[in-house]
Amino acid sequence: AQSVAQPEDQVNVAEGNPLTVKCTYSVSGNPYLFWYVQYPNRGLQFLLKYITGDNLVKGSYGFEAEFNKSQTSFHLKKPSALVSDSALYFCAVRVHTGGFKTIFGAGTRLFVKA
Amino acid sequence: DTAVSQTPKYLVTQMGNDKSIKCEQNLGHDTMYWYKQDSKKFLKIMFSYNNKELIINETVPNRFSPKSPDKAHLNLHINSLELGDSAVYFCASSPQSGLESYFGEGSWLTVV
Repeated sequence: AQSVAQPEDQVNVAEGNPLTVKCTYSVSGNPYLFWYVQYPNRGLQFLLKYITGDNLVKGSYGFEAEFNKSQTSFHLKKPSALVSDSALYFCAVRVHTGGFKTIFGAGTRLFVKA
Repeated sequence: DTAVSQTPKYLVTQMGNDKSIKCEQNLGHDTMYWYKQDSKKFLKIMFSYNNKELIINETVPNRFSPKSPDKAHLNLHINSLELGDSAVYFCASSPQSGLESYFGEGSWLTVV
């Protein structure tokens, strides 16, 4: 079955430290992968995507993600976390089931402590 | 300029009522979606439209009926509301089906 998993419900990191939010996927064919962020009482905001090309993808707000085909992972990273990065992060993958659609992971809550 | 706007933002209604949520996008995208986010923040697609045509219907009860009068609008009508329909409903659009999506701010539906 095609799926996307975020193994951590919550990630805690100190401000200024690097952060990683993990994502693994299982899809047939070449994956289209996405990261979104959701702040409280807001809609999801697109951060970055991988479709093809360089395995390291840069996105909004200083975030980047590394596509690893052998490990079927697409972890979100940032070299230096900010308190304002605290939010809910969703990994997503495009799948084809009679038409293209996006399925979302369960979300990982990031807490950045000052 | 709000790219994807949906109204109302908050809706409290009684069981059995019928309600609608409207969505408009000014991004020129071909594809629009309705998603449901439950209390545990799980996000699930309900419907996908491409150029006014229904592409995906994720086994949503037929009390939910989407309507797309043109490719910039996708409305959601819900009949005979039930307690379990309480959730946040997000409208979104993307340039093409399956590409990155741009979300509205959500409509908080509470059925009492």
